[in-house]
Amino acid sequence: TQLLEQSPQFLSIQEGENLTVYCNSSSVFSSLQWYRQEPGEGPVLLVTVVTGGEVKKLKRLTFQFGDARKDSSLHITAAQPGDTGLYLCAGALETSGSRLTFGEGTQLTVNP
Amino acid sequence: NAGVMQNPRHLVRRRGQEARLRCSPMKGHSHVYWYRQLPEEGLKFMVYLQKENIIDESGMPKERFSAEFPKEGPSILRIQQVVRGDSAAYFCASSRYRASGNTIYFGEGSWLTVV
Repeated sequence: TQLLEQSPQFLSIQEGENLTVYCNSSSVFSSLQWYRQEPGEGPVLLVTVVTGGEVKKLKRLTFQFGDARKDSSLHITAAQPGDTGLYLCAGALETSGSRLTFGEGTQLTVNP
Repeated sequence: NAGVMQNPRHLVRRRGQEARLRCSPMKGHSHVYWYRQLPEEGLKFMVYLQKENIIDESGMPKERFSAEFPKEGPSILRIQQVVRGDSAAYFCASSRYRASGNTIYFGEGSWLTVV
């Protein structure tokens, strides 16, 4: 059983479209992080959210942490080919300190 | 993820050999984590270390795998008598503090191929 469920697993869209990636769990997380990973490279941190209901924006990316701190979403506006990559959510349970539990990832492809 | 240095980036080992992966955390970080990413899968936690101490090794296979983070020098993940199933990307991450909500930064990874 996957502690963090990401959806969709694969997403292929045209340049200029909007998209949302979801990260859901039945567990409560003290914090949740979103990463982007390119082939052959390590995950690069995009954002950390710690407060229920928190919304953070990073240019065309909007991250939201659910009120109950069980879920999160990543919304990309006007996607560009440079946004192509594997998007990973990872959560830290209150009982596990800084140890992160990762979702399986969403592979995003933005076609020009 | 700039600052967390891993080497080697790529390592090929024959079945039965030993693999040693090294990780130097970011400057000022004393907490190190190792994760494994199997092909077509997400990252799985292996072990969490602080200088000279293993804090959480609940994700480490019981046999052939060990990790250390000495007072001086990098953290090392050691895999003895490697098998084909050990072929994966191994990522090291570091953080300044231990508390939840702390930001963790990843290195570029070490890709192990067992032939």
